[in-house]
Amino acid sequence: SQQGEEDPQALSIQEGENATMNCSYKTSINNLQWYRQNSGRGLVHLILIRSNEREKHSGRLRVTLDTSKKSSSLLITASRAADTASYFCAPKKGGSYIPTFGRGTSLIVHP
Amino acid sequence: NAGVTQTPKFRVLKTGQSMTLLCAQDMNHEYMYWYRQDPGMGLRLIHYSVGEGTTAKGEVPDGYNVSRLKKQNFLLGLESAAPSQTSVYFCASIADGGKETQYFGPGTRLLVL
Repeated sequence: SQQGEEDPQALSIQEGENATMNCSYKTSINNLQWYRQNSGRGLVHLILIRSNEREKHSGRLRVTLDTSKKSSSLLITASRAADTASYFCAPKKGGSYIPTFGRGTSLIVHP
Repeated sequence: NAGVTQTPKFRVLKTGQSMTLLCAQDMNHEYMYWYRQDPGMGLRLIHYSVGEGTTAKGEVPDGYNVSRLKKQNFLLGLESAAPSQTSVYFCASIADGGKETQYFGPGTRLLVL
């Protein structure tokens, strides 16, 4: 299975702090995506990083990918209360069209 | 574009009743998916479709059937609902295999008594 496993399961921080969550996977991948899910809502795509990329930025988001360790990290800088959500990674093999998700990291940002 | 929509938003069933959840997308996407999400379990893939007229089983297909008669619609059926099927159901779609971003619907909350 190419399912990603997010770590930690839960993260609680104060507004303004940085939040880092990690994703590990078992098979070689073509790309890895991060999604956010606000409470009771569907998932929303945040960022995609390809296997030949090591780092990618989007606004306050920074994603890294280490294919040798089969891991990725998502950093949210200067967090806001509105960042409170669950975050999921979805590693994807080349030729596959079946994204699978782990249990996610539940992030709480206290105002 | 409305994106991905799901009908109904919430439903209560009694054990043994049947129902159909409808997922519709107006983005002309080829691939569509049904997931269920339970507390502490993340999203689990039930069934998926790679095009009109095709369906395939995912990780947890038992107790569910699907149909993709029209490209824009993906139906999930429960023939005889069980309390274990109480969950939040999400539909998602992808344009095609080369465009990897999934677009999700808002979810359907199902309670089976």
